[in-house]
Amino acid sequence: DGGITQSPKYLFRKEGQNVTLSCEQNLNHDAMYWYRQDPGQGLRLIYYSQIVNDFQKGDIAEGYSVSREKKESFPLTVTSAQKNPTAFYLCASSSRQAGGYTFGSGTRLTVV
Amino acid sequence: GQQVMQIPQYQHVQEGEDFTTYCNSSTTLSNIQWYKQRPGGHPVFLIQLVKSGEVKKQKRLTFQFGEAKKNSSLHITATQTTDVGTYFCAGHSSGTYKYIFGTGTRLKVLA
Repeated sequence: DGGITQSPKYLFRKEGQNVTLSCEQNLNHDAMYWYRQDPGQGLRLIYYSQIVNDFQKGDIAEGYSVSREKKESFPLTVTSAQKNPTAFYLCASSSRQAGGYTFGSGTRLTVV
Repeated sequence: GQQVMQIPQYQHVQEGEDFTTYCNSSTTLSNIQWYKQRPGGHPVFLIQLVKSGEVKKQKRLTFQFGEAKKNSSLHITATQTTDVGTYFCAGHSSGTYKYIFGTGTRLKVLA
């Protein structure tokens, strides 16, 4: 079955450390997205990529970085510059034909 | 920039009662999508509306897109405990590739 895989599901890191969240899709979707969700809040866009080797900042890109070297993969790095990194991170993908976004199951990052 | 607001933020209903959430955009949308996120889960795509005044139904769920394409609603008839979750709208404007998600409405259904 096609879908999006995010790993790990839970991640704990010490303050000041960079951490990379994995996102892989086998849906052959061109576009991929990273969202952040805080408790009881909506989804805020961090970065998005419409094609390989190209990506754009979303609304809250500061302290994050991404790469899109392959169509299937869109990893997100949470850097030490991100002031409040503890959150639920969701990766999504879409195509013009698919209609809606397909979301991964998310990664809960806790920085201590 | 474009903003998408939803009301109410929270709604508690008795099982069997109806429920409606409203979505309002600051700009005209080319289309709008609705998602459901169960507690502890991830958003799941429900439907997309494209035409002005469009109405679509999925069993007990009725989705509407406003005539001006700046607002939308989701109505659930006779709620069930399986309807619990947060419902998000996401609006798309012409000339952009991304959707702006609304703030969400968290629904609790009391048995």
